[in-house]
Amino acid sequence: NAGVTQTPKFQVLKTGQSMTLQCAQDMNHNSMYWYRQDPGMGLRLIYYSASEGTTDKGEVPNGYNVSRLNKREFSLRLESAAPSQTSVYFCAIKRATRFNEQFFGPGTRLTVL
Amino acid sequence: DAKTTQPNSMESNEEEPVHLPCNHSTISGTDYIHWYRQLPSQGPEYVIHGLTSNVNNRMASLAIAEDRKSSTLILHRATLRDAAVYYCILRAASGGSNYKLTFGKGTLLTVNP
Repeated sequence: NAGVTQTPKFQVLKTGQSMTLQCAQDMNHNSMYWYRQDPGMGLRLIYYSASEGTTDKGEVPNGYNVSRLNKREFSLRLESAAPSQTSVYFCAIKRATRFNEQFFGPGTRLTVL
Repeated sequence: DAKTTQPNSMESNEEEPVHLPCNHSTISGTDYIHWYRQLPSQGPEYVIHGLTSNVNNRMASLAIAEDRKSSTLILHRATLRDAAVYYCILRAASGGSNYKLTFGKGTLLTVNP
């Protein structure tokens, strides 16, 4: 998954705690995405960013905030974590090729107790 | 969004061809058919996509029905490394840089040695 890095890889939080998931790309692409994947399910889009300084809600944005301060980084913040936010979080970029495919990071596994 | 229907699971033997079906009866004329796969404990990766004609690449082939209401991903010789969840996704040709993907549950492919 070279090109899209996510930190941390694993995190355990208590209910009510806050944290920020970091995503960085070194491929100079405009569009970035945050997804969550619950056990046995497909990915669901939380937020996306078409370019630096712009963000839009996806399918499941409640309980999350995002920040795209520069082209390289797109962060996802949980202000007050809840057990329902236990999931694996994937960051992705859209490659500027004729396929317009999305390229995913390795994921962050988050558990909220 | 147009939806897709895939079998929950399929099994194959190593070195045999695998045909993974997808139904998308409500597809619109401008929807692209994308396939991604997710290996265990990894983020999804792009496999192939098409609009109307059959497509081939180094990973797989995509056969699209003439009425576009179904498609089949073909792995010509399955290897153990092909064991993954395969997602069939319709992506609207909306232009711009959103290119949002909606993942279903996909098909879990098991490859037997």
